[in-house]
Amino acid sequence: DAKTTQPTSMDCAEGRAANLPCNHSTISGNEYVYWYRQIHSQGPQYIIHGLKNNETNEMASLIITEDRKSSTLILPHATLRDTAVYYCIVRVSKAAGNKLTFGGGTRVLVKP
Amino acid sequence: DAGVIQSPRHEVTEMGQEVTLRCKPISGHNSLFWYRQTMMRGLELLIYFNNNVPIDDSGMPEDRFSAKMPNASFSTLKIQPSEPRDSAVYFCASSSLGGGTGELFFGEGSRLTVL
Repeated sequence: DAKTTQPTSMDCAEGRAANLPCNHSTISGNEYVYWYRQIHSQGPQYIIHGLKNNETNEMASLIITEDRKSSTLILPHATLRDTAVYYCIVRVSKAAGNKLTFGGGTRVLVKP
Repeated sequence: DAGVIQSPRHEVTEMGQEVTLRCKPISGHNSLFWYRQTMMRGLELLIYFNNNVPIDDSGMPEDRFSAKMPNASFSTLKIQPSEPRDSAVYFCASSSLGGGTGELFFGEGSRLTVL
C-alpha cells in the first residue's frame, strides 16, 4: 500500500471548516483513499473513502486532486466533538479482506 | 447491532502471567482484525482472519502471541507469558468481505497493563 504523509497536528476554530491535507504521491491506480478518526480512548471510526472523484457524506467531504497524489478531508463545521486523530490511509481495494495500515495521523484540536 | 464487543475492557496482570483477550465481531461479518496501539508505535495490525482463517500474521510480535478464531462469532488473542512491553490497548475490528465500503468497525479496545 502507498505511504501517506500528514501534518502532525493542527488547530481549528469551532464552527469553521477544517481542512486536513494528505499526500500520497506513490498511490497506484487501484488504490482507494480512506479516512478514519480516533477520538480519545475509543476505537478508530470510518469517515469516508474515495478513488478519484470527490465524495461527500454526512460527516465530511473528500477532495482528491486530479493526479490523485493528494487529498483533503473537509469537516464543514467543526465542533468540539471533532477533536481527534485523523488518519489518511490508502489501500489496494475496498474489499474488506485487505488489511488497513495506519500511519501517525493528524491530531486535530477544535478550539472554542 | 451491538457492535464489536471486546473483553475485558481493562486488565492488569503481572509479568509472566497468561493474558487472554476476547472479541465478538458484528454478526454477519466475516473478516476480523486484531490491532495493538501504543504511544511509541501507534496502531499496528497484528493479525487478521477471513472466514475464520488467518490470512496475515506478520504483525504478531513473537511466539508469545497467538490468535484463534474457532468460529465466526468469537476470536481470542493470547499472550503467554506476558511482559511489561506488552502493555498497550488492543483493538479488535470486523468487516464484511466483498461489496460495501470495506469499512472496518472497531471495538472499544482492551487496555492491558503488565506490571
